[in-house]
Order: sequence, then structure tokens, then C-alpha cells
Amino acid sequence: AQKVTQAQTEISVVEKEDVTLDCVYETRDTTYYLFWYKQPPSGELVFLIRRNSFDEQNEISGRYSWNFQKSTSSFNFTITASQVVDSAVYFCALRDNNAGNMLTFGGGTRLMVKP
Amino acid sequence: DADVTQTPRNRITKTGKRIMLECSQTKGHDRMYWYRQDPGLGLRLIYYSFDVKDINKGEISDGYSVSRQAQAKFSLSLESAIPNQTALYFCATSDPPGLTPFTGELFFGEGSRLTVL
Repeated sequence: AQKVTQAQTEISVVEKEDVTLDCVYETRDTTYYLFWYKQPPSGELVFLIRRNSFDEQNEISGRYSWNFQKSTSSFNFTITASQVVDSAVYFCALRDNNAGNMLTFGGGTRLMVKP
Repeated sequence: DADVTQTPRNRITKTGKRIMLECSQTKGHDRMYWYRQDPGLGLRLIYYSFDVKDINKGEISDGYSVSRQAQAKFSLSLESAIPNQTALYFCATSDPPGLTPFTGELFFGEGSRLTVL
């Protein structure tokens, strides 16, 4: 069965620090997609990135970067020079061909960035 | 206007009451989902529907029912609400797998916060 683990339930940093959010997944499929979503205090879910299992190239988008390591089944998310507006709950999710192509979510990591 | 709209956004009710959460979408997607969010547990799938005549149970369907009234509408009902159903509920839609590339990305509504006293 597919599973996503976000071992860090809560992280607190001071503004301008770099922070990495960990995500480890389990799947028996060779073809799958990984996602990160952000949930700010207002509650909505904001899509951040999608990565397919065939593309291990790391991606950078502004202050955000993602490190996909198939060998360790990890898809970690780094925020460089964190800002107060980055304070949110971040969810990692997995979709594979099992379970009707549903997204399976990790438990989320609450990031608090203090000024 | 949001592509996926949920009503009500907030609801406080009492144990034993019947509650309906409604979801409508303008994205033209066939697939719709209801998720529940609890602290530390992430989002868990309650029910999903791949088209108007298709209803499927998710991970935590007990105590819930759904109705897919039209392609654009998918409602979630709690026939007799209980306090442990207090949670944030999300409706979502996604593309069908016939599209290329199919990614399964979910498009979420803004959430409905339900409190059962």
C-alpha cells in the first residue's frame, strides 16, 4: 500500500534561515507522481509542485527547491531565506496506479517562521 | 470566482443533527472527491466519484454518504453528526486519466469547517 510520511510535525525557524521539510514515501509502483501543497493560515490548499517518478532532476522555483531521491524514496522541500509569509502547513502527497489513482497525503509539517 | 466552491464554509451543529456539505465546480472535471483534514493526520479520503453514476468509498467512509447530482455537483452528508466528525472538509476535482499527461493533480475548494458539539 502507498504511504507518505512527514516525520516533522512542526518546525520553527527565524526569518532568513533556510529550512528543509522532509517527505518519505512508499509505493510498489514504478510510475508515480509526487506533490507538495501549502496550506496557509487562511485554510485553502495551494498547489506548489508536481514531480513524476521518471524525472529525478531537482527543481528550483525562486526560494523554493525540491530534492527528489528515488534511491531513498524521498522528496524533500527546501525554503531558502525563509519569510514570515512562508508560515503554513505543508503537505506532501503521492499518486500511483494503486488505490484507484488517489492522492495519499502525509500528515503535514507546520512551519512557523518568526520575525 | 473560485473554480471549486464549497458551502457552507463554517458550520456549528449539535450531535445527532443531519448535515450536508455541498460542492460545485466549474472546471468541467469528471472526477470529484471529499477529503477530511485532522491535525497530524493530513487529508484522508472519504468518498470519490469518477462520473455522475459512479460513487466509491474512500479510506474513512463510515458515518458519511454522498450524492453526485450532476457532473458539477458533489455533496457530502452526515446523517447523524457526532463530535469526532469535527474537522475541516475539502472537496476536490481532477482531470480524467484520458488526458495527456495525466498527473492526478487535485484542485481543491476552500474548505468547510464543521464543528459538532
